[in-house]
Amino acid sequence: KAGVTQTPRYLIKTRGQQVTLSCSPISGHRSVSWYQQTPGQGLQFLFEYFSETQRNKGNFPGRFSGRQFSNSRSEMNVSTLELGDSALYLCASSHSPRDRVLRNTEAFFGQGTRLTVV
Amino acid sequence: GNSVTQMEGPVTLSEEAFLTINCTYTATGYPSLFWYVQYPGEGLQLLLKATKADDKGSNKGFEATYRKETTSFHLEKGSVQVSDSAVYFCALIDQTGANNLFFGTGTRLTVIP
Repeated sequence: KAGVTQTPRYLIKTRGQQVTLSCSPISGHRSVSWYQQTPGQGLQFLFEYFSETQRNKGNFPGRFSGRQFSNSRSEMNVSTLELGDSALYLCASSHSPRDRVLRNTEAFFGQGTRLTVV
Repeated sequence: GNSVTQMEGPVTLSEEAFLTINCTYTATGYPSLFWYVQYPGEGLQLLLKATKADDKGSNKGFEATYRKETTSFHLEKGSVQVSDSAVYFCALIDQTGANNLFFGTGTRLTVIP
């Protein structure tokens, strides 16, 4: 069974540009969550998508957005990049039954996309 | 709000030493608790979990017990190996139904032969 695939693995962008990151979840998983990992702030939740709908959002500015397609693949977009956006962006997928409780499921993480803004 | 506080690292141990990484949490109600591990260059892997008070999660020789009275979920292993060198994250999901993990800052463990 293929794991969570994130592309690209590495990106270098210039301040002010925008970037799109992609995540392909494990087959059959309908929930995709995104996290930002930085040395200063640690791991922070960005948003979660389930069946093409954003159903939870973390405390990030509107420059961070995402979407999910009918095949559960997800993309996140960051516009007007800032130096502080340099981070490892992690995607996680889970089976996540409709009751939204993760107690008996597991979040599977991809290897991440390392974004460097210069 | 929700928060997870874990022991500052880095932690360096000799092979076969005993490991404890402390984790305490703040959350409403009865959260589910997790330990994730991140090996160099990789994403996070679930190490173990516990979903209710007094549950003990265990995997690969690691254990952690959900202590409601002390709001803790300390990670332990009796005899560490070099291959256990990684960063360990304590995390929780609260009871509100939101499907997002709240993570601690991570503890880097290095095991030397």
